[in-house]
Amino acid sequence: SQQGEEDPQALSIQEGENATMNCSYKTSINNLQWYRQNSGRGLVHLILIRSNEREKHSGRLRVTLDTSKKSSSLLITASRAADTASYFCASDHGSSNTGKLIFGQGTTLQVKP
Amino acid sequence: EAQVTQNPRYLITVTGKKLTVTCSQNMNHEYMSWYRQDPGLGLRQIYYSMNVEVTDKGDVPEGYKVSRKEKRNFPLILESPSPNQTSLYFCASSPYDRDNGYTFGSGTRLTVV
Repeated sequence: SQQGEEDPQALSIQEGENATMNCSYKTSINNLQWYRQNSGRGLVHLILIRSNEREKHSGRLRVTLDTSKKSSSLLITASRAADTASYFCASDHGSSNTGKLIFGQGTTLQVKP
Repeated sequence: EAQVTQNPRYLITVTGKKLTVTCSQNMNHEYMSWYRQDPGLGLRQIYYSMNVEVTDKGDVPEGYKVSRKEKRNFPLILESPSPNQTSLYFCASSPYDRDNGYTFGSGTRLTVV
């Protein structure tokens, strides 16, 4: 399968707690991106980390990238009920200029008020 | 507002009746792509376009056609829809360098009976 893998598949936490999601990919990347999807709606781009970066922050989001392990993690701090959604990692391998993103299966996050 | 607009949002059709799902972006992006999202299979690329009159197949192009006559529009055409094309479809666009992630449309939920 070309798809990346994410874990956990589902995560349920209380408001205010931190949520960590992990993603692994198979071949070398140009960048890795994280997206959020609310129930059946479009994907919203959250953050992009390039292959030469190790960590990136955006508001309550922190992304790390370990190219030696071909893995990335997304940390959402001080979670809110509005963060309830599915989160997908997507790797851009840049090969053949197809622009194809290879998506993970996603982590479904539920934040309880 | 910068956005990717897909229409229709929902569509139920019968096997064999040609249909077109429209996609339009107002960000002057060179790159556009179609994905389908299916439970257990994740998001898979159908077709992509690097610029006007330049299109190519993604991972699952069978049964689909596209065209890119104008930079802003990238319609997805199903000449003879079949039930296995029942899915949630997303159009996405980005600047050519794809360095800041993709903007996705809100999705089109297609049911073929």
